[in-house]
Amino acid sequence: EAQVTQNPRYLITVTGKKLTVTCSQNMNHEYMSWYRQDPGLGLRQIYYSMNVEVTDKGDVPEGYKVSRKEKRNFPLILESPSPNQTSLYFCASSTPPSGRYSEQYFGPGTRLTVT
Amino acid sequence: AQKVTQAQTEISVVEKEDVTLDCVYETRDTTYYLFWYKQPPSGELVFLIRRNSFDEQNEISGRYSWNFQKSTSSFNFTITASQVVDSAVYFCALSEAEGAQKLVFGQGTRLTINP
Repeated sequence: EAQVTQNPRYLITVTGKKLTVTCSQNMNHEYMSWYRQDPGLGLRQIYYSMNVEVTDKGDVPEGYKVSRKEKRNFPLILESPSPNQTSLYFCASSTPPSGRYSEQYFGPGTRLTVT
Repeated sequence: AQKVTQAQTEISVVEKEDVTLDCVYETRDTTYYLFWYKQPPSGELVFLIRRNSFDEQNEISGRYSWNFQKSTSSFNFTITASQVVDSAVYFCALSEAEGAQKLVFGQGTRLTINP
């Protein structure tokens, strides 16, 4: 079954304690993205990756890091989480565009609370 | 820059009423894609429809229908004979045809169907 998995699904942590949210896809997709969802703001892109070792900032990258060492994995790293990073996070993957739309697959979401 | 506006923050109707969710978008691209996603209380994003900018034909899927009008940059979503299970947050989104496949989301409309 084609899917994007995220772990953990729920996380409560304290300010400043480094954490990693993992994302993995089994569709051999080149493109992967991270979004955060906040009330009244919809979803906003944090970072994206077009292939292994190729990453770039999205609209709200501050306070986040990513890495893409393997094609299937795209972890989101919060080196020093702060309460304003409390949010619902989604990972997504897709194939490269080729003049036609490439389907986006979303993970189930990770609800992060930083106290 | 691309932008999606969902002016209706919350809508509440009684079951069996028809309801329309508005979506207005801005883009300079001539080729783009429009989407609707449903987010039920469980939190996952459920893909509903994708439309490309060259296909203005309206679409109907059961009780759901979509009205795409390039002249007004709108992509509205109507639920006919609403049901309690339709209660969710609905997002409209826009994607460029090329590039990083970033989805630009609207703020979302919370739809409550009361029995």
